[in-house]
Amino acid sequence: DIQMTQSPSSLSASVGDRVTITCRASQSISSYLNWYQQKPGKAPKLLIYAASSLQSGVPSRFSGSGSGTDFTLTISSLQPEDFATYYCQQSYSTLLTFGPGTKVDIK
Amino acid sequence: EVQLVESGGGLVQPGGSLRLSCAASGFTFSSYWMHWVRQAPGKGLVWVSRINSDGSSTSYADSVKGRFTISRDNAKNTLYLQMNSLRAEDTAVYYCARDLAAAGTGTFDPWGQGTLVTVSS
Repeated sequence: DIQMTQSPSSLSASVGDRVTITCRASQSISSYLNWYQQKPGKAPKLLIYAASSLQSGVPSRFSGSGSGTDFTLTISSLQPEDFATYYCQQSYSTLLTFGPGTKVDIK
Repeated sequence: EVQLVESGGGLVQPGGSLRLSCAASGFTFSSYWMHWVRQAPGKGLVWVSRINSDGSSTSYADSVKGRFTISRDNAKNTLYLQMNSLRAEDTAVYYCARDLAAAGTGTFDPWGQGTLVTVSS
């Protein structure tokens, strides 16, 4: 199986901050990397697919980059509604796997 | 509007069985691959299973292979997950999710609201 790791596991930030979350795959996954946002008690929501494509309806302050094994999710200016947990997920192999998540909370 | 509504969760004893359903609407169900993803209380997301659009091909996570069976009824726009030989570690919220594209990309969008399965004596 392809293992996914994320860093940091949690971070505290203020409204307006630029936030970057890193995701690493245990082997090359080309650009088959997706990012999801999950708020407490809610289902996850797709933000970014294929490493850098913004899902319809997602604010442009979210962006993704990377290929191969190293990927980043960037929130250019953190908004109050962005406090949540973020997961990366690889869709390269038949056995799909998620990263452990990064919790973003208020400083 | 695309909608996925799960049902069938509940409390079951270890070794027992449960069948989850996911009713789909707002899109051509028979054209899309579908997935089940679970989340244990306070833990992260884990992909469980997927099925292709006509039901002829399925895949499972190693942790459920041989115990869970995914299926679909395209005439009823419904996805199922038959769960047998349940263990305490299967306790989780189970989400159904549509694949992003009809071709089957392994990307989950959208998701249902989830149904809680609790395995306990």
